[in-house]
Amino acid sequence: AQSVTQPDIHITVSEGASLELRCNYSYGATPYLFWYVQSPGQGLQLLLKYFSGDTLVQGIKGFEAEFKRSQSSFNLRKPSVHWSDAAEYFCAVGAVYNNNDMRFGAGTRLTVKP
Amino acid sequence: NAGVTQTPKFQVLKTGQSMTLQCAQDMNHNSMYWYRQDPGMGLRLIYYSASEGTTDKGEVPNGYNVSRLNKREFSLRLESAAPSQTSVYFCASKGSGAGRNEQFFGPGTRLTVL
Repeated sequence: AQSVTQPDIHITVSEGASLELRCNYSYGATPYLFWYVQSPGQGLQLLLKYFSGDTLVQGIKGFEAEFKRSQSSFNLRKPSVHWSDAAEYFCAVGAVYNNNDMRFGAGTRLTVKP
Repeated sequence: NAGVTQTPKFQVLKTGQSMTLQCAQDMNHNSMYWYRQDPGMGLRLIYYSASEGTTDKGEVPNGYNVSRLNKREFSLRLESAAPSQTSVYFCASKGSGAGRNEQFFGPGTRLTVL
């Protein structure tokens, strides 16, 4: 089965600084890739998704992610972080052969310093 | 359009007690899912229902049962709760079509088993 690794458990950045959250996946074919955000006490909201085509994907709230097949990565970026971006971020990979089988990473908690 | 709703929001049980978590969606989605979220482990799939009348096990089904009551509703039952089932439970739904369709999540149920 596919799997996801988010190497950073917790990241702290200053407001206005750039952000990159790492995601590495393991899957035998081209996966479906997702980034979700979870604010405290809330459910998950989709930020962006990749299925095929252009490897740079734009999402909501100014986020983007780049699919790099050679590195099995799908890192999330934002050029300038806002205090409201403080949340937990989850990378997920979906299997092409079973569209109900989605695996999530353990999450990266983002703290934004004023 | 409420999306995915879950009841209750919070629940405390004693070991051995039973309870049912309710989930409903109003997006006419075919597929519905139950996940549990534990610190440092991301979300893990318990059960899913690809369509009305069908259910399948996910990654961690032991100790749980599910019922797809109709297209809108998908319930999760704990017959004899154990402390290891203390977790946050999320319900999600997804439209039909290719696996590229993202899952929409409810706000979660925080369950504590004493």
